[in-house]
Amino acid sequence: AQKITQTQPGMFVQEKEAVTLDCTYDTSDQSYGLFWYKQPSSGEMIFLIYQGSYDEQNATEGRYSLNFQKARKSANLVISASQLGDSAMYFCAMRPTYNNNDMRFGAGTRLTVKP
Amino acid sequence: DTAVSQTPKYLVTQMGNDKSIKCEQNLGHDTMYWYKQDSKKFLKIMFSYNNKELIINETVPNRFSPKSPDKAHLNLHINSLELGDSAVYFCASSQSWDRPKGTQYFGPGTRLLVL
Repeated sequence: AQKITQTQPGMFVQEKEAVTLDCTYDTSDQSYGLFWYKQPSSGEMIFLIYQGSYDEQNATEGRYSLNFQKARKSANLVISASQLGDSAMYFCAMRPTYNNNDMRFGAGTRLTVKP
Repeated sequence: DTAVSQTPKYLVTQMGNDKSIKCEQNLGHDTMYWYKQDSKKFLKIMFSYNNKELIINETVPNRFSPKSPDKAHLNLHINSLELGDSAVYFCASSQSWDRPKGTQYFGPGTRLLVL
């Protein structure tokens, strides 16, 4: 069974600085996808970034990048130039490639951006 | 032109009642899901429907029954509501052929409070 671990219940970052949100996972699957979602206080779940287990390059989407270290089974989210609107819960998730339907989520990290 | 919509957004009801939550997606996806997010923000998959067939049914009480009249809709019916059912319920959808990614897109959530 897959397990996703986010060890930081809460993080603080100063506006305009970069922040790294940690995510480690445990799986016996060789092929899988890793996802990060953002949940602002309004409650919706917003897809941010995806990394495939066989992708050679780390994924980037605007200010978001994924620091993927396959051997360490970690998929940390890096947010550069933090903005006040980045304050939210962030969830790491993983899904085996063979089963699109079996998405598992971590417990989440609450990020607060300070002005 | 909302991609994944849910109704109602808020639902307050008495213990023992039966209620339904509706979900519709206009993305043309063939797989839909229901998730439950508890008060600690933990997100757990309840059901997955692919082409109107139930794929995953996690250890969810049989008081919960998903119903999919067509591939654009997945409704959640809950019988004999209990206090512990209070949570936010999210609907999501994805496209199974969109491999390896299969990103899931979420609805805005339905906040259920059982009194």
